[in-house]
Amino acid sequence: GDSVTQTEGLVTLTEGLPVMLNCTYQSTYSPFLFWYVQHLNEAPKLLLKSFTDNKRPEHQGFHATLHKSSSSFHLQKSSAQLSDSALYYCALSDRGFASALTFGSGTKVIPCLP
Amino acid sequence: VTLLEQNPRWRLVPRGQAVNLRCILKNSQYPWMSWYQQDLQKQLQWLFTLRSPGDKEVKSLPGADYLATRVTDTELRLQVANMSQGRTLYCTCSETGGDQDTQYFGPGTRLLVL
Repeated sequence: GDSVTQTEGLVTLTEGLPVMLNCTYQSTYSPFLFWYVQHLNEAPKLLLKSFTDNKRPEHQGFHATLHKSSSSFHLQKSSAQLSDSALYYCALSDRGFASALTFGSGTKVIPCLP
Repeated sequence: VTLLEQNPRWRLVPRGQAVNLRCILKNSQYPWMSWYQQDLQKQLQWLFTLRSPGDKEVKSLPGADYLATRVTDTELRLQVANMSQGRTLYCTCSETGGDQDTQYFGPGTRLLVL
């Protein structure tokens, strides 16, 4: 079946420096990939999603590139902010099952304390 | 703009007792409604997608049994039974049910086991 792997459970960010969260997937088909973000005591909400035409989605300074050859959809931001601290989920949707997202285990992003 | 209301927002559930949750859709442009669970380890998992009034589905997962019902075009219900571990249940809605659809999450219902 489909699966999503987020290898880092915890990532620290330093304000002004780049941050990257890894996401790889396995799917029978060619799925759509999503990044959802969940701030403390809030519900998850969409951050960005892949396009069919290989455009690179961007939102709030975050971007992700779908690489079908390596089955990856890593999330990056060139200059992190403290407000980016949250739980980030990579997810995929399978063509066979509309609305049924398969989520990775999530990556918690916290500030790096000096 | 709030698309979904969920009630109750939290509930203490005595072991062995069932609890009924409601989700109300505030915008009929997003008629595909689903339930997701988030366990204590923050893992998100799709449970059901119900599009039409009268649709019903059941599912048993580790830690809880579920019965979902699409009551009307705007109301989705979930009965949770035999819950052994706490969890948060999220109602979602989407526009087309397609695999590119954004899932919009409700505020969630947190269930704690007594």
